[in-house]
Amino acid sequence: DGGITQSPKYLFRKEGQNVTLSCEQNLNHDAMYWYRQDPGQGLRLIYYSQIVNDFQKGDIAEGYSVSREKKESFPLTVTSAQKNPTAFYLCASSLTGTVVNQPQHFGDGTRLSIL
Amino acid sequence: AQKVTQAQTEISVVEKEDVTLDCVYETRDTTYYLFWYKQPPSGELVFLIRRNSFDEQNEISGRYSWNFQKSTSSFNFTITASQVVDSAVYFCALSEDGTGGFKTIFGAGTRLFVKA
Repeated sequence: DGGITQSPKYLFRKEGQNVTLSCEQNLNHDAMYWYRQDPGQGLRLIYYSQIVNDFQKGDIAEGYSVSREKKESFPLTVTSAQKNPTAFYLCASSLTGTVVNQPQHFGDGTRLSIL
Repeated sequence: AQKVTQAQTEISVVEKEDVTLDCVYETRDTTYYLFWYKQPPSGELVFLIRRNSFDEQNEISGRYSWNFQKSTSSFNFTITASQVVDSAVYFCALSEDGTGGFKTIFGAGTRLFVKA
């Protein structure tokens, strides 16, 4: 079945540590996104990528980094510079990033907590 | 600026009741798209519907219906004869055509509890 796979489901970070969240899609979508979800808040965009080897900052990119070396993969690294990383992270994709009417398909998220 | 407001934080109903989730949006664009997504306890958001700004026809899909009114900038979602499986967080979202493509703004979500 086509879809988006995020791993791990749960992740714990120690102080000063960088951690990487995985996101893989087999939908052949060009565009991929990372969102952060905090309790009682909507989704906030961290980074997005329209195409391989290209990505753009979203609203809350500070303390995060991404890469897009393959169409299928869009890993997110939460760096030690992100002082409040505890949240639920959602990866999404859409057929194309050039047309805003495309619905997004989501993975089932990674919950990150501080040790 | 774009903004999506879902004023209802939580709603609790008893099974078989009808329930309406409100969504009010702000945009300066004439071309935009509105979405509803469902987030069940498993976590992933599931796309429910898309509506473009030029199509104000209401839509019905089974027990779900959507009422889009440009005059009040609202895109409300009604579940008829609610079921326990409808329990989830529901998000309304807005994308504008003039922003360069990629930014979708999500509301804060409405958590719906349907009790048996």
